[in-house]
Amino acid sequence: AAGVIQSPRHLIKEKRETATLKCYPIPRHDTVYWYQQGPGQDPQFLISFYEKMQSDKGSIPDRFSAQQFSDYHSELNMSSLELGDSALYFCASSRTSGIDEQFFGPGTRLTVL
Amino acid sequence: GIQVEQSPPDLILQEGANSTLRCNFSDSVNNLQWFHQNPWGQLINLFYIPSGTKQNGRLSATTVATERYSLLYISSSQTTDSGVYFCAVDSFGNEKLTFGTGTRLTIIP
Repeated sequence: AAGVIQSPRHLIKEKRETATLKCYPIPRHDTVYWYQQGPGQDPQFLISFYEKMQSDKGSIPDRFSAQQFSDYHSELNMSSLELGDSALYFCASSRTSGIDEQFFGPGTRLTVL
Repeated sequence: GIQVEQSPPDLILQEGANSTLRCNFSDSVNNLQWFHQNPWGQLINLFYIPSGTKQNGRLSATTVATERYSLLYISSSQTTDSGVYFCAVDSFGNEKLTFGTGTRLTIIP
């Protein structure tokens, strides 16, 4: 079965650089979520999109922005990177049908030097 | 927001042992999921279980929604079961998942 695809899987950036993370949801899933997991922590919700519109927002820094495109893939843009942004970034998708089980991608491991 | 507590925080067992992991949550939930995060960081869906009981091989889960807790049972543990087990919930009208702090399970051969 098709799963959530994330790219790149690993990313190394310098402080103050920018990064773009991509997410391709499971086919026919209409909702995409982004989560951030710092070292030794549990995943924290950043932002979500339903049918290409932002549906909810968590503790996402103003330096981060995201969008969902017409083909339902989503991108998380991160600017002015800080050391504390080093984390595992997960994308998840679900299909709004009364059973809203979220399926997670393999994650992008971002390291900021 | 909704609070999620998991216990125990750490568990070390011999291969072949059984274990029970607990998840308590502070409010009514629309969705409850159990995940296994393997040593490579991947979050593997184990169960979608906002209520009732489900079984999948050596794993089973029970959620008692009225008492706001869920249990994950692992029988005949194998070394590949090692990792962190997360419970995550969302409340009605709020689709984002709130994760518990996890239970780190280590299975010793």
